[in-house]
Amino acid sequence: IAGITQAPTSQILAAGRRMTLRCTQDMRHNAMYWYRQDLGLGLRLIHYSNTAGTTGKGEVPDGYSVSRANTDDFPLTLASAVPSQTSVYFCASSDEATGANVLTFGAGSRLTVL
Amino acid sequence: GQNIDQPTEMTATEGAIVQINCTYQTSGFNGLFWYQQHAGEAPTFLSYNVLDGLEEKGRFSSFLSRSKGYSYLLLKELQMKDSASYLCAVPDSNYQLIWGAGTKLIIKP
Repeated sequence: IAGITQAPTSQILAAGRRMTLRCTQDMRHNAMYWYRQDLGLGLRLIHYSNTAGTTGKGEVPDGYSVSRANTDDFPLTLASAVPSQTSVYFCASSDEATGANVLTFGAGSRLTVL
Repeated sequence: GQNIDQPTEMTATEGAIVQINCTYQTSGFNGLFWYQQHAGEAPTFLSYNVLDGLEEKGRFSSFLSRSKGYSYLLLKELQMKDSASYLCAVPDSNYQLIWGAGTKLIIKP
């Protein structure tokens, strides 16, 4: 089934640990995004990539890093997790053919940092 | 800066009509998007408005007034499965979406 796969689905992590959230899409979309969603707040963009080999900072990039080595994969890394990074993380993708802001989302990764 | 406001929660009755409002402030305008998000699931795209007026798509319609910085999503013949959060979003100057906090719609029998 075409779409976006995120892993893990959920994770409990000790503060200070390193964590990578994985995201893979099979739609050959050019652009990919990482958002976090917290109760009472809108989705907030962490990082994005308009095409393989390029990345950009979103609204809340601090404490996170990304890479885009190829079209399909866009991992998000927390170098040293802190409790304020407890959130639901969504990976998304889009393509100019269907509209740059018509996003397809993954199912999300729920991260708890203790 | 950019700002998006929508009501936090609304309640409606099955079979009725509900209107979910969204007001926005942007430095430029590149369209307005509505997404639906069921509890515990990912958002899914509903509609896109770039010109003033009403866009109808089955039971769902979306309206835009650029001069007033205002949009609404109209849901007709409400069904229980329409219980969800509805997210309003507009692109910023880098064409990345800025999102409202969402309106949680509760449908009662």
